[in-house]
Amino acid sequence: QKEVEQDPGPLSVPEGAIVSLNCTYSNSAFQYFMWYRQYSRKGPELLMYTYSSGNKEDGRFTAQVDKSSKYISLFIRDSQPSDSATYLCATNRDDKIIFGKGTRLHILP
Amino acid sequence: DTGVSQNPRHKITKRGQNVTFRCDPISEHNRLYWYRQTLGQGPEFLTYFQNEAQLEKSRLLSDRFSAERPKGSFSTLEIQRTEQGDSAMYLCASSHGTGIYEQYFGPGTRLTVT
Repeated sequence: QKEVEQDPGPLSVPEGAIVSLNCTYSNSAFQYFMWYRQYSRKGPELLMYTYSSGNKEDGRFTAQVDKSSKYISLFIRDSQPSDSATYLCATNRDDKIIFGKGTRLHILP
Repeated sequence: DTGVSQNPRHKITKRGQNVTFRCDPISEHNRLYWYRQTLGQGPEFLTYFQNEAQLEKSRLLSDRFSAERPKGSFSTLEIQRTEQGDSAMYLCASSHGTGIYEQYFGPGTRLTVT
């Protein structure tokens, strides 16, 4: 079992829709949970991080962690074509970031 | 400061050749990380430095791979006797301190081994 599982998509939604991206993880000891956005041929860019369980909101983005079910979510409200990218969920083991495969998201104008 | 830079951005080489990549971290960032990303996968950890000391290496880093960070500034990643399976994007990240979420990634070097 991989440490972080993520559906690779692609996921296509119309502009303005709410997007829900999800991951599961295997180790209950993981503490930090991150979401990165990666545009084609670019490096990953940190969007948000949470520590332990709970919600965190930043503008149109909301990150949720449910440690009881080992489930990580990212919600994007009022999605824009510029949100089209690959979204990577991640957690940490010691000083290393462990990434999911990434979900390719297409926002259709 | 313009962020983490990596050179070259693209490298095409023939199987069996040696290649070297360079990463310049954000100035004053004491930690530097190397990751590898293959098509359709997330980045995978290879190795990291704190200042000039290499603190950890992944099992992915075979003996054909070597990384250095002389003087604790830029870093180089060398692959000897390249194989087609080495084709990937090699990403560098740097951080100041130990905050796991504070790693800033460069644009990557895309290696194609023919």
